[in-house]
Amino acid sequence: DGGITQSPKYLFRKEGQNVTLSCEQNLNHDAMYWYRQDPGQGLRLIYYSQIVNDFQKGDIAEGYSVSREKKESFPLTVTSAQKNPTAFYLCASSPRGSGSDEQYFGPGTRLTVT
Amino acid sequence: KNQVEQSPQSLIILEGKNCTLQCNYTVSPFSNLRWYKQDTGRGPVSLTIMTFSENTKSNGRYTATLDADTKQSSLHITASQLSDSASYICVVSARPGVAAGNNRKLIWGLGTSLAVNP
Repeated sequence: DGGITQSPKYLFRKEGQNVTLSCEQNLNHDAMYWYRQDPGQGLRLIYYSQIVNDFQKGDIAEGYSVSREKKESFPLTVTSAQKNPTAFYLCASSPRGSGSDEQYFGPGTRLTVT
Repeated sequence: KNQVEQSPQSLIILEGKNCTLQCNYTVSPFSNLRWYKQDTGRGPVSLTIMTFSENTKSNGRYTATLDADTKQSSLHITASQLSDSASYICVVSARPGVAAGNNRKLIWGLGTSLAVNP
């Protein structure tokens, strides 16, 4: 998985609770990304960060929050405001944020909210 | 509208056979096209990248083609193995400068689910 770790692999939460997904990379990449993958849909971008202490909303940022205090870490918080949080979440990184670079993905976290 | 369409949606083949997956895109201006392989429950892994001037690129038993005029790409898998069972995703990148400052330049297809049976 190219030096990107996500934990935990499986996560279960009750509705109404916030939950934070971890993503760490040791590739010295500047850019990091969070995607959501649902059955029958392509990857959808939640948030991305091109540099430490800066991040931008992707296409489906509502109900999510992130931070980028360190270059190697980009945690994602799924808040209670997210209407359909059950999904497979993928973190990725790339050397830069140009969009032309290959993105290296972590193993993913499957979140189930009941 | 920038779109990436893949076909077929799913495919079942016997071990040892060849297969070809298709990707049609309407992304403009085009920068590059990648094929990713995603095993079930895992993150995608890049197989090939093709730029505007490249027609064919191989990575072992995987060969990707690109026709920038018709905006079509294909991924050909030769002598398939059981480990080839996965989802294959086509991703097209718009040329840097479009929607500058954000990552909406990457357009992801829905993928083709390939099952290789013994």
